[in-house]
Amino acid sequence: DQQVKQNSPSLSVQEGRISILNCDYTNSMFDYFLWYKKYPAEGPTFLISISSIKDKNEDGRFTVFLNKSAKHLSLHIVPSQPGDSAVYFCAAMNTGTASKLTFGTGTRLQVTL
Amino acid sequence: DTEVTQTPKHLVMGMTNKKSLKCEQHMGHRAMYWYKQKAKKPPELMFVYSYEKLSINESVPSRFSPECPNSSLLNLHLHALQPEDSALYLCASSPGTVGYEQYFGPGTRLTVT
Repeated sequence: DQQVKQNSPSLSVQEGRISILNCDYTNSMFDYFLWYKKYPAEGPTFLISISSIKDKNEDGRFTVFLNKSAKHLSLHIVPSQPGDSAVYFCAAMNTGTASKLTFGTGTRLQVTL
Repeated sequence: DTEVTQTPKHLVMGMTNKKSLKCEQHMGHRAMYWYKQKAKKPPELMFVYSYEKLSINESVPSRFSPECPNSSLLNLHLHALQPEDSALYLCASSPGTVGYEQYFGPGTRLTVT
């Protein structure tokens, strides 16, 4: 039962263009969402988060959008840089119960020159 | 400083060995976590410690035994593991347990022979 899904296993984007990574969830109790970036042989690095009371959060080149009615969130990276090439995981949490993060399956982003 | 450190980086152990993984953070975080990640899969939560007390055990087999000696340290004691336990073991910490981003260490790559 995959409660958080990232349907695109991989994405290739040209340097300087926008990268859009998508994530869908099924559990309506999730109310806090996070994006992590992971390089091979390293732990996930926190990028950006959003609470369900918001529909957008921005931090530099990274913007996360949340559509609660569609149970969908997306991460926009503008402009994309070669160093952004990594696996991106979205994660969700129900802050009313516990600190358990449920991760999506990940999307491998490759930014080409 | 958002660093979580883990030792060792790599560990190879036989099925009859006893070994321990260590995790340390000096950010004053009050929640610490153990995750297991298999290749091409998302991290899966194993244990959560909140204020040095075990608050979540995700039905992990007893051959994995967590310990939180103080608020900065988290151990995972391993005994009689199986080859299928080979994975990347990630430690994370967060300021509290509700609605906070978790910061991950680089992981310990465990191989059980």
